[in-house]
Amino acid sequence: ETGVTQTPRHLVMGMTNKKSLKCEQHLGHNAMYWYKQSAKKPLELMFVYSLEERVENNSVPSRFSPECPNSSHLFLHLHTLQPEDSALYLCASSLSFPGGTSMREKLFFGSGTQLSVL
Amino acid sequence: AQKITQTQPGMFVQEKEAVTLDCTYDTSDPSYGLFWYKQPSSGEMIFLIYQGSYDQQNATEGRYSLNFQKARKSANLVISASQLGDSAMYFCAMREGVTGGGNKLTFGTGTQLKVEL
Repeated sequence: ETGVTQTPRHLVMGMTNKKSLKCEQHLGHNAMYWYKQSAKKPLELMFVYSLEERVENNSVPSRFSPECPNSSHLFLHLHTLQPEDSALYLCASSLSFPGGTSMREKLFFGSGTQLSVL
Repeated sequence: AQKITQTQPGMFVQEKEAVTLDCTYDTSDPSYGLFWYKQPSSGEMIFLIYQGSYDQQNATEGRYSLNFQKARKSANLVISASQLGDSAMYFCAMREGVTGGGNKLTFGTGTQLKVEL
């Protein structure tokens, strides 16, 4: 148990469906992240939230919509996805939003949601 | 250009032997940090070890050590006395202090390690 819990573990959806991925961290961290992991590609950072404020949005299509209602919860709302969006979606958290002198700030990851878009 | 390069898509090692997983990086930033993560089949990424660009000594954490060669821009992970539970995907990652704003962790494509009896 890493302290970061993601649900569901697996999700199959059609291109017209709307679904949400949920992430919850029990570590008292202030920063949360969404990453996309596709086969044979490096992890791609999608969104970063620090103290519930979005601080980074890496040119992610609008069919992905993040929500951070509080520092413990992070959602990724999905709608009208494409088959190429099929991937493992990983949530992570860190004690603070790293930068400057906090280079060694490490991320704690959940087990991910394996998403298949048909 | 890729920031992190892991040239070994797959590696095999005998149990109890040592294994080195390669990682080279590309940055002009004088301040950066290098991380190794392990991803077993369960999916979660587990932090293993960290090396800062200004650290004088190579990092060690139990059976994990980092062979940091700054001039060559390499940060290879050495796992000693391999165990069956070490079978997993291993990712090298870098955080750049100035050019990257210090907040983005860039990952390589990973190396799949299989430990055999």
